[in-house]
Amino acid sequence: NAGVTQTPKFRILKIGQSMTLQCAQDMNHNYMYWYRQDPGMGLKLIYYSVGAGITDKGEVPNGYNVSRSTTEDFPLRLELAAPSQTSVYFCASRQGLAENEQFFGPGTRLTVL
Amino acid sequence: DAKTTQPNSMESNEEEPVHLPCNHSTISGTDYIHWYRQLPSQGPEYVIHGLTSNVNNRMASLAIAEDRKSSTLILHRATLRDAAVYYCILSPTTGGNTPLVFGKGTRLSVIA
Repeated sequence: NAGVTQTPKFRILKIGQSMTLQCAQDMNHNYMYWYRQDPGMGLKLIYYSVGAGITDKGEVPNGYNVSRSTTEDFPLRLELAAPSQTSVYFCASRQGLAENEQFFGPGTRLTVL
Repeated sequence: DAKTTQPNSMESNEEEPVHLPCNHSTISGTDYIHWYRQLPSQGPEYVIHGLTSNVNNRMASLAIAEDRKSSTLILHRATLRDAAVYYCILSPTTGGNTPLVFGKGTRLSVIA
C-alpha cells in the first residue's frame, strides 16, 4: 500500500498562475480531504468529499476548486494563485466511520510570488 | 462543533513519561476522542483513539476521564523522535461524516 500520495512536493507559482495539486489513495477510502497549514498554525479544511461525485466546502474554500471523479483521486485546483495561498497543503483520506483513523499524505509546499 | 483545549507547549526530559492533557467539556456521548501528532515537516499521523475506556497501543496510552470531559495522552518514555505537535480532536458519530477539525495542538519538546 502506498497510502496517500501527493504531487508535486514543492512548487513555486507566480501571481495569477494556475495549478492542480494531485492526491491519490489506494486504500479504497470513501472520504477524502484537503487541508492547508500556514506557518505555526493548525490545519484548516479547504474541501472534502464523501465519495465519487460528491464534494463539499470546508472552512477556507475561496480560491480553490475540487473534483472527485474516482474513489482514488481528489485533485485540488488553484485558478488564480495569490500570495495568501502560500502554504503547505495536505491531502487525507479515511474510511467513513468516526472511530477510523485518518491517513495523511506528505504534503505539497506551495509558494506564490 | 465540540471543541478541545490543549496547552500550547510542554517540555519533557528524554526517557521520562509525558502526560499531554486535553479538555473537551462539551463532548457529546457518541464523540470519539482522537489524537494525532505532526513531526517536523511531515503530515499528521494517527496516534490513538478512544470512546469511554482507557486505550493502549504500541505508541501511547489514552486515559479518558469518567465524565469524558477530559483526556490525557501518555507517552511512557519520551524519545527525541517524539518531539512533535500533538492534536486532540473529537470525531462525532452523529450528523453524517464531520471532518476532523485540527486546532493548534500542543508542541512537545523533548530534552536529551
